[in-house]
Amino acid sequence: EVQLEESGGGLVQPGGSLRLSCASSGFAFGEYGMSWFRQAPGKGLEWVGFIRSRAHGGTPEYAASVKGRFTISRDDSKSITYLQMYSLTTEDTAIFYCVKMPYGTYRGFNWFDPWGQGTLVTVSS
Amino acid sequence: QSVLTQPPSVSGAPGQRVTISCTGSSYNIGAGYDVHWYQQLPGTAPKLLIFGNNNRPSGVPDRFSGSKSGTSASLAINGLQAEDEADYYCQSYDNSLSGHVVFGGGTKLTVV
Repeated sequence: EVQLEESGGGLVQPGGSLRLSCASSGFAFGEYGMSWFRQAPGKGLEWVGFIRSRAHGGTPEYAASVKGRFTISRDDSKSITYLQMYSLTTEDTAIFYCVKMPYGTYRGFNWFDPWGQGTLVTVSS
Repeated sequence: QSVLTQPPSVSGAPGQRVTISCTGSSYNIGAGYDVHWYQQLPGTAPKLLIFGNNNRPSGVPDRFSGSKSGTSASLAINGLQAEDEADYYCQSYDNSLSGHVVFGGGTKLTVV
């Protein structure tokens, strides 16, 4: 069974930084792309970014709203995906979800499944 | 504002059929890209409900079905049950946007 467990959320001041982790198990982690999504309180789903598998270059892609502030990386030896967040603002307050991609990279017909349980990031002074 | 447009809310009585629409454009659904649907029960993470327009993952009841035509897609739920009360999101690919992953704003289904 595929399992994804996010950690690292918490309260951070505006302008601060935070690193989220996503521990994966139950599948050949290195063969798949991994993605991050977020959901602000009472709002809809927003894609944050994804990282391709090593076979597809291991490169990340980001949503315009976070590009230049967030960095996604992966450690295939530990089956962990990271989301490093800098220059956080109150607009970044959300539950962040780690999600497995069905392939090593994002393709036009891609869906996202399964989703981790999420970790809450609160940006407030 | 979401790239894909969904009604904010729909409702139905137990046993009824409801549909949720997802309207896009020639850059996403109208370009032939697949639509996927997610169900988010209160206080939980989203769960894949329909992939590739009309395919159900293992374990999803056949009361749920999806369709796509032109620049729109729809999720239908037959034989509505109380446990279907949730938020539903459509997702597709957009060839005009960086990153390409787009969602609808979500539809709250209330079982009255």
